[in-house]
Amino acid sequence: AQKITQTQPGMFVQEKEAVTLDCTYDTSDQSYGLFWYKQPSSGEMIFLIYQGSYDEQNATEGRYSLNFQKARKSANLVISASQLGDSAMYFCAMRVPGANSKLTFGKGITLSVRP
Amino acid sequence: DTAVSQTPKYLVTQMGNDKSIKCEQNLGHDTMYWYKQDSKKFLKIMFSYNNKELIINETVPNRFSPKSPDKAHLNLHINSLELGDSAVYFCASSQPGANQPQHFGDGTRLSIL
Repeated sequence: AQKITQTQPGMFVQEKEAVTLDCTYDTSDQSYGLFWYKQPSSGEMIFLIYQGSYDEQNATEGRYSLNFQKARKSANLVISASQLGDSAMYFCAMRVPGANSKLTFGKGITLSVRP
Repeated sequence: DTAVSQTPKYLVTQMGNDKSIKCEQNLGHDTMYWYKQDSKKFLKIMFSYNNKELIINETVPNRFSPKSPDKAHLNLHINSLELGDSAVYFCASSQPGANQPQHFGDGTRLSIL
């Protein structure tokens, strides 16, 4: 079984600064994918970034990067140059290969960007 | 142009009623999902269909019945609605594989009075 842990209850960051949102995971599978989603107050789920378990380089997508530390089983999301529109809930999720390839989500972290 | 669309966006109904939520994706994905997001924002898989075949059914009461008429559509029918069914229900789709992101609809907020 897969497990995602997000323990930060809520995060605050000043506009234009960088922020790191923590995620640790647990699985016995060697092959897996890690994902981050953003859920703004409007409610939709927006895919941000993906990291594969065999990827040697950290994933980056614009202002988003994933700090992947496989030995520590952590996959932290780094948002650089925060914007007011980054205020949202952020979910870390995992997926393993196979027919039953669901996404297992963490509890989410609320990020508030201060002007 | 919407990739995954679900209707209705809001559903307010009385306890005991039967209701349906519809989902359609135009991404050409083989797999579709229903997730439930509870009041604490926790997201959990309910069902998954791969090319019209049910592959995941996660201990959901049998009042919930998914139906996939074709691989682009996955509907959710709920019988005898209960107060605890109040939640946001998300439809999603993807290709199979651990490296494939799932793309979500905008959600249906179900409120039981």
